[in-house]
Amino acid sequence: GQSLEQPSEVTAVEGAIVQINCTYQTSGFYGLSWYQQHDGGAPTFLSYNALDGLEETGRFSSFLSRSDSYGYLLLQELQMKDSASYFCAVRDNYGQNFVFGPGTRLSVLP
Amino acid sequence: EAGVAQSPRYKIIEKRQSVAFWCNPISGHATLYWYQQILGQGPKLLIQFQNNGVVDDSQLPKDRFSAERLKGVDSTLKIQPAKLEDSAVYLCASSAMTGVNTEAFFGQGTRLTVV
Repeated sequence: GQSLEQPSEVTAVEGAIVQINCTYQTSGFYGLSWYQQHDGGAPTFLSYNALDGLEETGRFSSFLSRSDSYGYLLLQELQMKDSASYFCAVRDNYGQNFVFGPGTRLSVLP
Repeated sequence: EAGVAQSPRYKIIEKRQSVAFWCNPISGHATLYWYQQILGQGPKLLIQFQNNGVVDDSQLPKDRFSAERLKGVDSTLKIQPAKLEDSAVYLCASSAMTGVNTEAFFGQGTRLTVV
Protein backbone atom coordinates (compact mmCIF):
# COMPACT_ATOMS: atom_id res chain seq x y z
CA GLY A 1 0.00 0.00 0.00
CA GLN A 2 0.92 3.62 -0.08
CA SER A 3 0.16 6.81 1.82
CA LEU A 4 1.20 10.41 1.47
CA GLU A 5 0.92 13.21 3.98
CA GLN A 6 0.85 16.95 3.36
CA PRO A 7 -0.22 19.92 5.48
CA SER A 8 -3.82 20.79 4.69
CA GLU A 9 -3.34 24.57 4.48
CA VAL A 10 -0.56 27.12 4.19
CA THR A 11 -0.90 30.91 4.14
CA ALA A 12 1.74 33.43 3.05
CA VAL A 13 1.99 36.97 1.70
CA GLU A 14 2.97 38.16 -1.74
CA GLY A 15 6.69 38.14 -2.33
CA ALA A 16 7.36 35.62 0.42
CA ILE A 17 8.79 32.10 0.21
CA VAL A 18 6.75 29.06 1.22
CA GLN A 19 7.63 25.39 1.57
CA ILE A 20 5.07 22.58 1.22
CA ASN A 21 6.20 19.28 2.67
CA CYS A 22 5.28 15.77 1.64
CA THR A 23 6.09 12.50 3.35
CA TYR A 24 5.28 9.19 1.75
CA GLN A 25 5.14 5.48 2.37
CA THR A 26 5.03 3.27 -0.68
CA SER A 27 5.66 -0.36 -1.50
CA GLY A 28 7.93 0.79 -4.30
CA PHE A 29 9.26 4.21 -5.16
CA TYR A 30 9.80 5.61 -8.62
CA GLY A 31 9.90 9.33 -8.04
CA LEU A 32 7.95 12.22 -6.54
CA SER A 33 5.87 14.61 -8.64
CA TRP A 34 4.13 17.86 -7.81
CA TYR A 35 0.91 19.17 -9.36
CA GLN A 36 -0.92 22.48 -9.03
CA GLN A 37 -4.69 22.78 -9.17
CA HIS A 38 -6.65 26.02 -9.17
CA ASP A 39 -10.26 25.92 -7.98
CA GLY A 40 -12.41 24.39 -10.68
CA GLY A 41 -9.39 23.61 -12.83
CA ALA A 42 -7.37 20.60 -13.86
CA PRO A 43 -4.21 19.49 -12.06
CA THR A 44 -1.14 20.66 -13.95
CA PHE A 45 2.36 19.23 -13.69
CA LEU A 46 5.00 21.28 -11.89
CA SER A 47 8.02 19.08 -11.25
CA TYR A 48 9.44 15.60 -10.83
CA ASN A 49 12.27 14.25 -8.66
CA ALA A 50 13.66 10.77 -9.08
CA LEU A 51 16.98 11.32 -7.32
CA ASP A 52 17.93 13.05 -4.09
CA GLY A 53 18.47 16.76 -4.31
CA LEU A 54 16.94 19.97 -5.51
CA GLU A 55 15.37 20.59 -8.92
CA GLU A 56 14.80 24.22 -9.86
CA THR A 57 12.30 25.51 -12.40
CA GLY A 58 11.90 29.26 -12.31
CA ARG A 59 10.24 30.37 -9.07
CA PHE A 60 9.46 26.77 -8.12
CA SER A 61 11.93 24.22 -6.74
CA SER A 62 11.38 20.68 -5.57
CA PHE A 63 13.50 18.61 -3.22
CA LEU A 64 13.67 14.91 -2.53
CA SER A 65 15.32 12.79 0.16
CA ARG A 66 14.73 9.12 -0.61
CA SER A 67 16.31 7.97 2.64
CA ASP A 68 13.82 10.08 4.62
CA SER A 69 10.84 9.38 2.31
CA TYR A 70 10.38 13.13 2.22
CA GLY A 71 10.13 15.89 -0.29
CA TYR A 72 9.05 19.48 -0.52
CA LEU A 73 7.95 22.08 -3.01
CA LEU A 74 9.47 25.54 -2.57
CA LEU A 75 7.68 28.52 -4.04
CA GLN A 76 9.59 31.81 -4.16
CA GLU A 77 8.48 35.36 -4.86
CA LEU A 78 4.89 34.37 -4.23
CA GLN A 79 2.23 35.90 -6.44
CA MET A 80 -1.53 36.04 -5.96
CA LYS A 81 -1.95 33.63 -8.87
CA ASP A 82 -0.06 30.98 -6.88
CA SER A 83 -3.12 30.58 -4.64
CA ALA A 84 -4.14 27.02 -5.43
CA SER A 85 -3.97 23.46 -4.13
CA TYR A 86 -0.69 21.61 -4.47
CA PHE A 87 -0.48 17.84 -4.60
CA CYS A 88 2.50 15.56 -4.28
CA ALA A 89 2.21 12.27 -6.13
CA VAL A 90 4.24 9.10 -6.30
CA ARG A 91 4.38 6.35 -8.83
CA ASP A 92 3.37 3.02 -7.37
CA ASN A 93 2.76 -0.44 -8.77
CA TYR A 94 6.18 -0.81 -10.31
CA GLY A 95 6.07 2.73 -11.63
CA GLN A 96 2.68 2.48 -13.27
CA ASN A 97 0.10 4.34 -11.22
CA PHE A 98 0.06 7.88 -9.96
CA VAL A 99 -1.04 8.06 -6.32
CA PHE A 100 -1.83 11.56 -5.10
CA GLY A 101 -1.51 13.09 -1.66
CA PRO A 102 -4.43 14.85 0.05
CA GLY A 103 -3.27 18.27 -1.16
CA THR A 104 -2.17 21.53 0.46
CA ARG A 105 -4.26 24.61 -0.07
CA LEU A 106 -2.03 27.66 -0.43
CA SER A 107 -3.51 31.09 0.14
CA VAL A 108 -1.40 34.09 -0.89
CA LEU A 109 -2.42 37.32 0.79
CA PRO A 110 -1.71 40.84 -0.51
CA GLU B 1 -1.36 20.42 -29.29
CA ALA B 2 -4.92 19.81 -28.15
CA GLY B 3 -5.35 18.82 -24.53
CA VAL B 4 -7.41 16.10 -22.90
CA ALA B 5 -11.08 16.63 -23.72
CA GLN B 6 -13.87 15.57 -21.39
CA SER B 7 -17.62 15.85 -21.57
CA PRO B 8 -19.97 16.81 -20.14
CA ARG B 9 -18.50 19.46 -17.84
CA TYR B 10 -21.39 19.20 -15.39
CA LYS B 11 -24.04 16.60 -14.69
CA ILE B 12 -26.81 16.43 -12.12
CA ILE B 13 -28.69 13.16 -11.67
CA GLU B 14 -30.89 11.52 -9.11
CA LYS B 15 -29.63 8.60 -7.07
CA ARG B 16 -30.12 5.23 -8.73
CA GLN B 17 -29.91 6.79 -12.18
CA SER B 18 -27.13 6.05 -14.65
CA VAL B 19 -24.53 8.40 -16.05
CA ALA B 20 -21.65 8.21 -18.51
CA PHE B 21 -18.58 10.36 -18.99
CA TRP B 22 -16.45 10.62 -22.09
CA CYS B 23 -12.74 11.31 -22.47
CA ASN B 24 -10.58 11.93 -25.53
CA PRO B 25 -6.88 11.84 -24.59
CA ILE B 26 -4.04 13.70 -26.23
CA SER B 27 -3.32 12.20 -29.62
CA GLY B 28 -0.75 9.43 -29.43
CA HIS B 29 -0.95 8.98 -25.67
CA ALA B 30 -1.05 5.30 -24.86
CA THR B 31 -1.89 5.57 -21.17
CA LEU B 32 -5.24 6.83 -19.93
CA TYR B 33 -6.35 7.29 -16.33
CA TRP B 34 -9.70 7.97 -14.67
CA TYR B 35 -9.59 9.67 -11.27
CA GLN B 36 -12.33 10.56 -8.80
CA GLN B 37 -11.78 13.77 -6.83
CA ILE B 38 -14.07 14.48 -3.93
CA LEU B 39 -14.15 18.11 -2.83
CA GLY B 40 -11.15 18.94 -0.66
CA GLN B 41 -9.32 15.69 -1.38
CA GLY B 42 -6.64 14.52 -3.75
CA PRO B 43 -7.50 12.64 -6.95
CA LYS B 44 -8.11 8.93 -6.38
CA LEU B 45 -7.20 6.56 -9.21
CA LEU B 46 -10.15 4.48 -10.42
CA ILE B 47 -8.73 2.77 -13.48
CA GLN B 48 -5.71 2.90 -15.77
CA PHE B 49 -5.55 1.76 -19.39
CA GLN B 50 -2.51 1.04 -21.49
CA ASN B 51 -3.78 1.27 -25.07
CA ASN B 52 -7.06 -0.66 -24.81
CA GLY B 53 -6.00 -2.97 -21.98
CA VAL B 54 -6.63 -2.45 -18.28
CA VAL B 55 -3.45 -2.02 -16.21
CA ASP B 56 -5.08 -1.42 -12.83
CA ASP B 57 -8.71 -1.26 -11.75
CA SER B 58 -8.20 -2.31 -8.14
CA GLN B 59 -10.00 0.76 -6.75
CA LEU B 60 -12.89 0.75 -9.21
CA PRO B 61 -16.20 -0.16 -7.48
CA LYS B 62 -17.04 -2.78 -10.05
CA ASP B 63 -20.55 -3.37 -8.77
CA ARG B 64 -21.57 0.03 -10.12
CA PHE B 65 -18.67 1.51 -12.12
CA SER B 66 -17.46 0.35 -15.51
CA ALA B 67 -15.02 1.77 -18.02
CA GLU B 68 -13.87 0.92 -21.50
CA ARG B 69 -11.37 2.18 -24.00
CA LEU B 70 -12.28 0.82 -27.36
CA LYS B 71 -9.61 1.03 -30.06
CA GLY B 72 -7.16 2.39 -27.52
CA VAL B 73 -8.22 6.03 -27.96
CA ASP B 74 -11.45 7.44 -26.44
CA SER B 75 -12.73 6.16 -23.15
CA THR B 76 -16.04 6.16 -21.31
CA LEU B 77 -16.70 5.77 -17.60
CA LYS B 78 -20.16 4.71 -16.49
CA ILE B 79 -21.89 4.65 -13.13
CA GLN B 80 -25.00 2.51 -12.74
CA PRO B 81 -26.77 3.03 -10.38
CA ALA B 82 -25.40 6.22 -8.88
CA LYS B 83 -25.25 6.85 -5.14
CA LEU B 84 -25.08 10.12 -3.25
CA GLU B 85 -21.43 9.47 -2.35
CA ASP B 86 -20.51 9.40 -6.04
CA SER B 87 -20.82 13.18 -6.13
CA ALA B 88 -17.34 14.28 -7.18
CA VAL B 89 -15.27 15.55 -10.08
CA TYR B 90 -14.23 12.80 -12.47
CA LEU B 91 -10.89 13.57 -14.06
CA CYS B 92 -9.41 11.92 -17.09
CA ALA B 93 -5.65 12.08 -17.68
CA SER B 94 -3.30 10.72 -20.31
CA SER B 95 0.43 10.24 -20.68
CA ALA B 96 2.65 9.32 -23.58
CA MET B 97 3.73 6.03 -22.11
CA THR B 98 3.91 4.23 -18.82
CA GLY B 99 7.23 5.49 -17.60
CA VAL B 100 8.57 6.51 -14.26
CA ASN B 101 9.16 10.10 -15.31
CA THR B 102 6.25 10.63 -17.63
CA GLU B 103 4.02 13.62 -16.99
CA ALA B 104 0.26 13.11 -16.85
CA PHE B 105 -1.97 15.66 -18.58
CA PHE B 106 -5.43 16.20 -17.10
CA GLY B 107 -8.72 17.22 -18.61
CA GLN B 108 -11.01 19.81 -16.99
CA GLY B 109 -13.11 17.08 -15.46
CA THR B 110 -16.81 16.34 -15.15
CA ARG B 111 -18.49 17.59 -11.99
CA LEU B 112 -21.16 15.08 -10.99
CA THR B 113 -23.84 15.91 -8.46
CA VAL B 114 -26.09 13.09 -7.28
CA VAL B 115 -29.26 14.26 -5.53
